[in-house]
Amino acid sequence: EIVMTQSPATLSASPGERATLSCRASQNVNSNLDWYQQKPGQAPRLLIYGASTRATGVPARFSGSGSGTEFTLTISSLQSEDFAVYYCQQYNNWPRTFGQGTKVDIK
Amino acid sequence: QVQLQESGPGLVKPSETLSLTCSVSGGSVSSDTSYWSWIRQPPGKGLEWIGFIYHSGSTNYNPSLKSRVTISVDTSKNQFSLQLRSVTAADTAVYYCARELWFGGGPYFDLWGQGRLVTVSS
Repeated sequence: EIVMTQSPATLSASPGERATLSCRASQNVNSNLDWYQQKPGQAPRLLIYGASTRATGVPARFSGSGSGTEFTLTISSLQSEDFAVYYCQQYNNWPRTFGQGTKVDIK
Repeated sequence: QVQLQESGPGLVKPSETLSLTCSVSGGSVSSDTSYWSWIRQPPGKGLEWIGFIYHSGSTNYNPSLKSRVTISVDTSKNQFSLQLRSVTAADTAVYYCARELWFGGGPYFDLWGQGRLVTVSS
């Protein structure tokens, strides 16, 4: 199976700052990668699909990039509601696999 | 608006079978563009895909769980179900049902239930 590795495990930042989250695949997944946001006690929410397309209703401060094995989720200016855990997930191969998550918390 | 709702016991004894059902409202489990999936999350940990079922009955399971998992669909009741056999404490998790949508740039998990915490304990 494809192993997804996210870094850092925790990112401490202040509101208004830029946040850059990384996701690496153990083999080529092309652009077949999604990003999800999860807040405590809630189900994950789709943010980005196809590596770079924002899902419906997702603010423009969220952007995704990358292909192959290296991917990035950028939050251009952190808002209070963005402090959460973010997961990448590949759908190039079965089984679907998720990264272990990056927690974005308030510095 | 399509919604998913998990139901089933929150406590299962070791070696027994975990059974959950996901009811689909506002839409049809017979949709041609949807794979109906189960994903779990142990407390404080990440997400693990368990498997999916298509309305035709076709399934795909995570090899790590394949020997213990069955996912089924009941189109007449507009719901799908998960059975996980021979559970241990390691199967304690929040279990989510989700829709993997193969449309509009997908696939992606665009719809999730609220999650059902299942604890394995005697």
